[in-house]
Amino acid sequence: AQRVTQPEKLLSVFKGAPVELKCNYSYSGSPELFWYVQYSRQRLQLLLRHISRESIKGFTADLNKGETSFHLKKPFAQEEDSAMYYCAHLRAAGNKLTFGGGTRVLVKP
Amino acid sequence: EADIYQTPRYLVIGTGKKITLECSQTMGHDKMYWYQQDPGMELHLIHYSYGVNSTEKGDLSSESTVSRIRTEHFPLTLESARPSHTSQYLCASSDRYGRNYGYTFGSGTRLTVV
Repeated sequence: AQRVTQPEKLLSVFKGAPVELKCNYSYSGSPELFWYVQYSRQRLQLLLRHISRESIKGFTADLNKGETSFHLKKPFAQEEDSAMYYCAHLRAAGNKLTFGGGTRVLVKP
Repeated sequence: EADIYQTPRYLVIGTGKKITLECSQTMGHDKMYWYQQDPGMELHLIHYSYGVNSTEKGDLSSESTVSRIRTEHFPLTLESARPSHTSQYLCASSDRYGRNYGYTFGSGTRLTVV
């Protein structure tokens, strides 16, 4: 089955340390991948799109087709980065988003 | 301000009651979606719509139904609520291609059936 996998349920890091959230996908072809974030008491919102190759809030994500991965990275985590992060794949058929299970990031002071 | 709105934010209701969760967007998006999410778990697509009078079931089987009579409105209905329907329901919308800006999500409705 086509899936998006986030192997870590929880990542706990200290402020200023690097953080990397893993995402693997099992789709063939050219994937359309996203990272979404949900801060406490806020709605789910788009963080990054792989097609834009942008850096948002210090986060970057690189698509590695050989490893079928789209890991999210930030070199120096901040306390305000504590949130729930979801990796998602947009299926070409129907423009439907499939989400991974999510990773909760806790940045400790 | 263009946005997507869900009401109610929280709903506690008794078993057997009929409920409708409201979702409206003022973004002019063609496509709308309903996701179900249990606490700390992944989101599952339960319904989607490509436009007026177009609705399809999603990946996760759901006893709920939806309608799309107007572009901006995509309500979800449960004819007879059961405790197994307790969950968070998220509504989302996207432009025609989705890949450009992804989805915009509402704040969600947290439903508890007692």
